[in-house]
Amino acid sequence: SQKIEQNSEALNIQEGKTATLTCNYTNYSPAYLQWYRQDPGRGPVFLLLIRENEKEKRKERLKVTFDTTLKQSLFHITASQPADSATYLCALGVGSSASKIIFGSGTRLSIRP
Amino acid sequence: EAGVAQSPRYKIIEKRQSVAFWCNPISGHATLYWYQQILGQGPKLLIQFQNNGVVDDSQLPKDRFSAERLKGVDSTLKIQPAKLEDSAVYLCASSLDAGAHQPQHFGDGTRLSIL
Repeated sequence: SQKIEQNSEALNIQEGKTATLTCNYTNYSPAYLQWYRQDPGRGPVFLLLIRENEKEKRKERLKVTFDTTLKQSLFHITASQPADSATYLCALGVGSSASKIIFGSGTRLSIRP
Repeated sequence: EAGVAQSPRYKIIEKRQSVAFWCNPISGHATLYWYQQILGQGPKLLIQFQNNGVVDDSQLPKDRFSAERLKGVDSTLKIQPAKLEDSAVYLCASSLDAGAHQPQHFGDGTRLSIL
């Protein structure tokens, strides 16, 4: 069956350290992978998109990797801050012509001062 | 740029009643999505519009849910009659065009509670 798995347990990180979140998928062949941030009571906010032929993408303190052999994406936040505390969702671009995205269930990240 | 607007923010109804949600996407965005997000889960696509036509409604429970996007701008999602299992946040999103290469812009959703 098709699955998208993100860390089910919340991740607690000390401020200043690098947070690494994992997105694993089974029986999908995504052409794109997106990462979103969601705060309590708010809608998801787009962060980064990476294509299947890209290994890595960076934006300020954020870095995403995409390994189509391992069927995994890693999302890194360097020099983490308490303001980075949120739920992070990965989303796979699937379907004919990569027409839609399917979301994982998200990982809750907490950065302690 | 104004974001995606949704109303109401909260709605409480009893089972078997009907409810409607409204969404105004970002100006110029051709593609509009309605998602259902149950607590602790990621958003699940219910229906996708391209302008005023339906592109994907494969996961929309059509016996009780309906949606329309008149004139290719605003959209409404209706549930009639509601069941307990419909308790969730209903999110509207829009993108410049269709495709998984397009970032989606979300509203803050309507939190629906069914008693």
